[in-house]
Amino acid sequence: AQSVTQLDSQVPVFEEAPVELRCNYSSSVSVYLFWYVQYPNQGLQLLLKYLSGSTLVKGINGFEAEFNKSQTSFHLRKPSVHISDTAEYFCAVSDPRTGNQFYFGTGTSLTVIP
Amino acid sequence: KAGVTQTPRYLIKTRGQQVTLSCSPISGHRSVSWYQQTPGQGLQFLFEYFSETQRNKGNFPGRFSGRQFSNSRSEMNVSTLELGDSALYLCASSSGAGGQETQYFGPGTRLLVL
Repeated sequence: AQSVTQLDSQVPVFEEAPVELRCNYSSSVSVYLFWYVQYPNQGLQLLLKYLSGSTLVKGINGFEAEFNKSQTSFHLRKPSVHISDTAEYFCAVSDPRTGNQFYFGTGTSLTVIP
Repeated sequence: KAGVTQTPRYLIKTRGQQVTLSCSPISGHRSVSWYQQTPGQGLQFLFEYFSETQRNKGNFPGRFSGRQFSNSRSEMNVSTLELGDSALYLCASSSGAGGQETQYFGPGTRLLVL
Protein backbone atom coordinates (compact mmCIF):
# COMPACT_ATOMS: atom_id res chain seq x y z
CA ALA A 1 0.00 0.00 0.00
CA GLN A 2 1.00 3.57 -0.53
CA SER A 3 1.35 6.21 2.15
CA VAL A 4 1.49 9.97 2.03
CA THR A 5 2.99 12.27 4.65
CA GLN A 6 2.26 15.95 4.84
CA LEU A 7 4.86 17.29 7.18
CA ASP A 8 3.07 20.43 8.30
CA SER A 9 -0.45 20.30 9.69
CA GLN A 10 -0.77 24.09 9.86
CA VAL A 11 1.02 26.78 7.90
CA PRO A 12 0.40 30.47 8.63
CA VAL A 13 1.78 32.91 6.08
CA PHE A 14 1.39 36.62 5.43
CA GLU A 15 -0.42 37.82 2.36
CA GLU A 16 1.83 38.19 -0.72
CA ALA A 17 4.53 36.03 0.86
CA PRO A 18 5.67 32.76 -0.77
CA VAL A 19 4.60 29.41 0.62
CA GLU A 20 5.67 25.80 0.31
CA LEU A 21 3.54 22.89 1.49
CA ARG A 22 5.49 19.68 1.85
CA CYS A 23 4.47 16.21 0.77
CA ASN A 24 6.40 12.96 0.86
CA TYR A 25 5.15 9.61 -0.31
CA SER A 26 6.16 6.03 0.17
CA SER A 27 5.93 3.63 -2.72
CA SER A 28 8.00 0.93 -4.35
CA VAL A 29 6.42 1.55 -7.73
CA SER A 30 5.76 4.55 -9.91
CA VAL A 31 2.71 6.47 -8.81
CA TYR A 32 0.60 9.37 -9.93
CA LEU A 33 0.71 12.43 -7.65
CA PHE A 34 -1.95 15.03 -6.97
CA TRP A 35 -2.65 18.13 -4.92
CA TYR A 36 -6.24 18.97 -3.99
CA VAL A 37 -7.67 21.96 -2.14
CA GLN A 38 -10.72 21.95 0.10
CA TYR A 39 -12.52 25.14 1.04
CA PRO A 40 -14.83 25.15 4.07
CA ASN A 41 -18.01 23.12 3.60
CA GLN A 42 -17.00 22.07 0.12
CA GLY A 43 -15.59 19.02 -1.60
CA LEU A 44 -12.06 18.73 -2.92
CA GLN A 45 -10.88 20.49 -6.06
CA LEU A 46 -7.85 19.47 -8.12
CA LEU A 47 -4.97 21.96 -8.11
CA LEU A 48 -2.51 19.97 -10.20
CA LYS A 49 -1.24 16.49 -10.93
CA TYR A 50 1.93 14.73 -12.02
CA LEU A 51 1.60 11.73 -14.28
CA SER A 52 4.94 11.65 -16.12
CA GLY A 53 7.35 13.87 -18.02
CA SER A 54 8.49 17.26 -16.77
CA THR A 55 8.99 17.23 -13.03
CA LEU A 56 7.68 20.79 -12.61
CA VAL A 57 3.93 20.89 -12.83
CA LYS A 58 1.86 24.04 -13.01
CA GLY A 59 -1.69 24.16 -11.75
CA ILE A 60 -4.56 26.51 -11.19
CA ASN A 61 -4.50 29.70 -9.13
CA GLY A 62 -0.74 30.16 -9.58
CA PHE A 63 0.28 26.97 -7.77
CA GLU A 64 3.06 24.69 -8.95
CA ALA A 65 4.68 21.52 -7.64
CA GLU A 66 7.91 19.70 -8.25
CA PHE A 67 8.23 15.94 -8.39
CA ASN A 68 11.48 14.64 -6.92
CA LYS A 69 11.80 10.91 -7.42
CA SER A 70 15.01 10.48 -5.40
CA GLN A 71 13.47 12.19 -2.38
CA THR A 72 9.98 10.81 -3.04
CA SER A 73 8.57 14.28 -2.60
CA PHE A 74 5.97 16.41 -4.32
CA HIS A 75 6.04 19.81 -2.64
CA LEU A 76 3.49 22.49 -3.54
CA ARG A 77 4.57 26.11 -3.94
CA LYS A 78 3.10 29.51 -4.65
CA PRO A 79 5.25 32.63 -5.00
CA SER A 80 2.69 35.05 -3.59
CA VAL A 81 -0.39 33.99 -1.62
CA HIS A 82 -3.74 35.73 -1.34
CA ILE A 83 -6.34 35.75 1.39
CA SER A 84 -8.49 33.54 -0.82
CA ASP A 85 -5.85 30.78 -0.67
CA THR A 86 -6.82 30.07 2.94
CA ALA A 87 -7.99 26.45 2.81
CA GLU A 88 -7.03 22.84 3.52
CA TYR A 89 -4.57 21.28 1.07
CA PHE A 90 -4.25 17.56 0.47
CA CYS A 91 -1.53 15.62 -1.26
CA ALA A 92 -2.59 12.29 -2.79
CA VAL A 93 -1.17 9.38 -4.72
CA SER A 94 -2.67 6.69 -6.87
CA ASP A 95 -1.10 3.46 -8.00
CA PRO A 96 -1.61 2.62 -11.69
CA ARG A 97 -2.10 -1.00 -10.65
CA THR A 98 -5.11 -0.17 -8.47
CA GLY A 99 -6.57 2.69 -10.48
CA ASN A 100 -8.80 5.10 -8.62
CA GLN A 101 -7.91 4.01 -5.09
CA PHE A 102 -6.35 7.24 -3.87
CA TYR A 103 -4.25 7.61 -0.74
CA PHE A 104 -4.44 11.03 0.86
CA GLY A 105 -2.19 12.81 3.31
CA THR A 106 -3.68 14.22 6.49
CA GLY A 107 -3.84 17.70 5.04
CA THR A 108 -2.17 21.06 5.62
CA SER A 109 -4.26 23.97 6.80
CA LEU A 110 -2.98 27.12 5.10
CA THR A 111 -3.95 30.39 6.75
CA VAL A 112 -3.11 33.58 4.95
CA ILE A 113 -2.74 36.53 7.32
CA PRO A 114 -3.62 39.98 6.01
CA LYS B 1 -21.93 20.24 -17.05
CA ALA B 2 -23.44 19.89 -13.63
CA GLY B 3 -21.03 18.82 -10.92
CA VAL B 4 -21.17 15.86 -8.60
CA THR B 5 -24.21 16.00 -6.37
CA GLN B 6 -24.70 14.23 -3.07
CA THR B 7 -27.88 13.81 -1.09
CA PRO B 8 -28.70 14.43 1.61
CA ARG B 9 -26.19 17.06 2.69
CA TYR B 10 -26.75 16.47 6.40
CA LEU B 11 -28.01 13.52 8.38
CA ILE B 12 -28.52 12.76 12.05
CA LYS B 13 -28.96 9.14 13.06
CA THR B 14 -28.77 7.14 16.26
CA ARG B 15 -26.58 4.17 17.03
CA GLY B 16 -27.82 0.92 15.52
CA GLN B 17 -29.71 2.55 12.68
CA GLN B 18 -28.75 2.25 9.05
CA VAL B 19 -28.26 4.99 6.48
CA THR B 20 -28.13 5.30 2.70
CA LEU B 21 -26.24 8.07 0.97
CA SER B 22 -26.61 8.94 -2.69
CA CYS B 23 -24.16 10.28 -5.26
CA SER B 24 -24.87 11.44 -8.80
CA PRO B 25 -21.69 11.71 -10.87
CA ILE B 26 -20.90 14.13 -13.65
CA SER B 27 -22.70 13.15 -16.82
CA GLY B 28 -20.63 10.65 -18.77
CA HIS B 29 -18.47 9.61 -15.83
CA ARG B 30 -18.53 5.89 -15.16
CA SER B 31 -16.33 5.74 -12.07
CA VAL B 32 -17.61 6.68 -8.62
CA SER B 33 -15.46 6.48 -5.50
CA TRP B 34 -16.44 7.02 -1.88
CA TYR B 35 -14.30 8.45 0.91
CA GLN B 36 -14.79 8.95 4.63
CA GLN B 37 -13.28 12.15 6.05
CA THR B 38 -12.76 12.59 9.79
CA PRO B 39 -10.53 14.96 11.77
CA GLY B 40 -8.56 12.07 13.25
CA GLN B 41 -8.13 9.76 10.25
CA GLY B 42 -8.32 12.23 7.39
CA LEU B 43 -9.58 11.00 4.03
CA GLN B 44 -9.92 7.25 3.77
CA PHE B 45 -10.93 5.33 0.67
CA LEU B 46 -14.07 3.23 1.04
CA PHE B 47 -14.67 1.75 -2.40
CA GLU B 48 -14.87 2.45 -6.11
CA TYR B 49 -17.43 1.40 -8.67
CA PHE B 50 -16.96 1.41 -12.40
CA SER B 51 -19.73 0.40 -14.77
CA GLU B 52 -21.71 -1.15 -11.90
CA THR B 53 -18.78 -3.29 -10.70
CA GLN B 54 -16.84 -2.76 -7.51
CA ARG B 55 -13.21 -2.42 -8.57
CA ASN B 56 -11.47 -1.49 -5.36
CA LYS B 57 -12.33 -1.68 -1.69
CA GLY B 58 -10.68 0.00 1.26
CA ASN B 59 -10.14 -1.36 4.72
CA PHE B 60 -13.59 -0.86 6.20
CA PRO B 61 -15.89 -3.38 7.90
CA GLY B 62 -18.65 -5.13 6.01
CA ARG B 63 -21.20 -2.72 7.51
CA PHE B 64 -20.13 -0.37 4.75
CA SER B 65 -21.46 -1.34 1.35
CA GLY B 66 -22.27 0.30 -1.92
CA ARG B 67 -23.66 -0.18 -5.34
CA GLN B 68 -23.81 1.55 -8.67
CA PHE B 69 -26.72 1.72 -11.05
CA SER B 70 -26.76 1.57 -14.84
CA ASN B 71 -26.96 5.38 -15.01
CA SER B 72 -23.73 5.53 -12.92
CA ARG B 73 -25.48 6.92 -9.87
CA SER B 74 -24.14 5.32 -6.73
CA GLU B 75 -25.41 4.65 -3.24
CA MET B 76 -23.51 3.89 -0.08
CA ASN B 77 -25.09 2.09 2.84
CA VAL B 78 -23.90 1.87 6.41
CA SER B 79 -25.71 -0.59 8.66
CA THR B 80 -25.72 -0.78 12.45
CA LEU B 81 -24.30 2.70 12.85
CA GLU B 82 -21.66 3.37 15.47
CA LEU B 83 -20.63 6.69 17.01
CA GLY B 84 -17.33 6.46 15.15
CA ASP B 85 -19.15 6.54 11.82
CA SER B 86 -19.80 10.24 12.30
CA ALA B 87 -17.94 11.82 9.40
CA LEU B 88 -18.12 13.69 6.15
CA TYR B 89 -18.70 11.21 3.33
CA LEU B 90 -17.41 12.36 -0.01
CA CYS B 91 -17.99 10.86 -3.37
CA ALA B 92 -15.90 11.52 -6.45
CA SER B 93 -16.46 10.74 -10.09
CA SER B 94 -14.07 10.42 -13.00
CA SER B 95 -14.24 9.51 -16.64
CA GLY B 96 -11.87 6.57 -16.37
CA ALA B 97 -10.51 4.10 -13.89
CA GLY B 98 -6.77 4.20 -14.51
CA GLY B 99 -5.87 6.39 -11.56
CA GLN B 100 -4.58 9.30 -13.63
CA GLU B 101 -7.90 10.94 -14.33
CA THR B 102 -9.03 13.92 -12.31
CA GLN B 103 -11.40 13.03 -9.50
CA TYR B 104 -14.30 15.46 -9.22
CA PHE B 105 -15.63 15.60 -5.69
CA GLY B 106 -19.10 16.37 -4.46
CA PRO B 107 -19.76 18.61 -1.44
CA GLY B 108 -20.24 15.61 0.83
CA THR B 109 -22.84 14.29 3.21
CA ARG B 110 -22.19 15.09 6.84
CA LEU B 111 -23.38 12.24 9.04
CA LEU B 112 -23.76 12.63 12.77
CA VAL B 113 -24.42 9.50 14.82
CA LEU B 114 -25.81 10.06 18.31
